Amino acid sequence: GAVVSQHPSRVICKSGTSVKIECRSLDFQATTMFWYRQFPKQSLMLMATSNEGSKATYEQGVEKDKFLINHASLTLSTLTVTSAHPEDSSFYICSAGLGEDQPQHFGDGTRLSIL
Amino acid sequence: DQQVKQNSPSLSVQEGRISILNCDYTNSMFDYFLWYKKYPAEGPTFLISISSIKDKNEDGRFTVFLNKSAKHLSLHIVPSQPGDSAVYFCAASSSGGSNYKLTFGKGTLLTVNP
Repeated sequence: GAVVSQHPSRVICKSGTSVKIECRSLDFQATTMFWYRQFPKQSLMLMATSNEGSKATYEQGVEKDKFLINHASLTLSTLTVTSAHPEDSSFYICSAGLGEDQPQHFGDGTRLSIL
Repeated sequence: DQQVKQNSPSLSVQEGRISILNCDYTNSMFDYFLWYKKYPAEGPTFLISISSIKDKNEDGRFTVFLNKSAKHLSLHIVPSQPGDSAVYFCAASSSGGSNYKLTFGKGTLLTVNP
């Protein structure tokens, strides 16, 4: 079946560091990928929609200069958390789908901890 | 403003019995609904979906019921198994298919006791 791979699974770094998270669709091409963020005991909140070959669409309240998204190919989208601070610590998850009438499939997420 | 609500944060069921997880939504534009299962430190795994043109969809032990007039859906698991223990998320979209953003509920932790 469809598989979405996300890397790294866990990052611990110092405040001020920029962190890049990769999301790959392993056996299908995805023109659209999504980036979500989950706080403890909360729902997954959509941050942005990543479109291959064009700019990402950000949800209200999400800083596009803080969370840089690049969708350079049909199988790879990256999320870069720039100059990360402790409040950016969270669980980040990406998803992608096969298209019409197909569900989104999710990566296993990245646990980001900023010290 | 939560557009998708799962009002029960947790549910405990005996093995072999039925598990019923509930979900309510407020946005009348939603017409595609999904259930995902999530284990700790993993991403959500798709379980089952339903389009608003249907009121029931069944896949093995999992059945999703949709009541559009009440803006309510439920997931039934019969018979429940200990391996079903996980957090279950209800999600909704205003269009079918995977290229449209999903709005999630907060999840319900299901515990199936042996």
